Amino acid sequence: EVQLVESGGNLVQPGGSLRLSCVASGFTFSYYWMSWVRQAPGKGLEWVANIKQDGGENYYVDSVKGRFTISRDNAKSLLYLQMNSLRAEDSAVYYCARGGTDYSRNWLDPWGQGTLVTVSS
Amino acid sequence: EIVMTQSPATLSVSPGERATLSCRASQSVSSNLAWYQQKPGQSPRLLIYRTSIRATGIPARFSGSGSGTEFTLTISSLQSEDFAVYYCLQYDNWPPFTFGPGTKVDIK
Repeated sequence: EVQLVESGGNLVQPGGSLRLSCVASGFTFSYYWMSWVRQAPGKGLEWVANIKQDGGENYYVDSVKGRFTISRDNAKSLLYLQMNSLRAEDSAVYYCARGGTDYSRNWLDPWGQGTLVTVSS
Repeated sequence: EIVMTQSPATLSVSPGERATLSCRASQSVSSNLAWYQQKPGQSPRLLIYRTSIRATGIPARFSGSGSGTEFTLTISSLQSEDFAVYYCLQYDNWPPFTFGPGTKVDIK
């Protein structure tokens, strides 16, 4: 069974940092793009970042550029999101999601259960 | 950035009735459009990708159509488990990937 399990969400003060992790199982992790998507309480879905199979390319939504860093460890089937300079508007459930094997087949499936990040003083 | 819009924001439907949800892109996304279902407290579930291909395990009552900028998700006969929020996602021209704001399907 393909599975993604996120962890690392927590309550953090504005300006603080947090690192999210996502462990993958049930598929060959190194074959796929991987993404982070977030959902603020009661709101819609917002794609945050993605990373290529070998980690050689990564992309971000403008609102997190320079503050968030996506990375991966293919040997451990782990995806990370390092979040620095956190703001209240970063508060959300963060999901990891598997992408595709190439640029054009990059729908997101499956998704993990999510981890909650709350930025508040 | 491609902006996705969905209509209506809320759709009230009786069980057994047909539901038609619309998604529009600000520019062509070819056929690179997916649909997701999200129930309260759950993560999104892929229903349709490449505009019209049902994901594994998705019932045949869900169908997708369209191309370019106009897309439709049809649920032919609503079951109780189908009441949820539905999102479209374009993955044609990224970054960023962009989602529509969602359509909530609730019980009439």
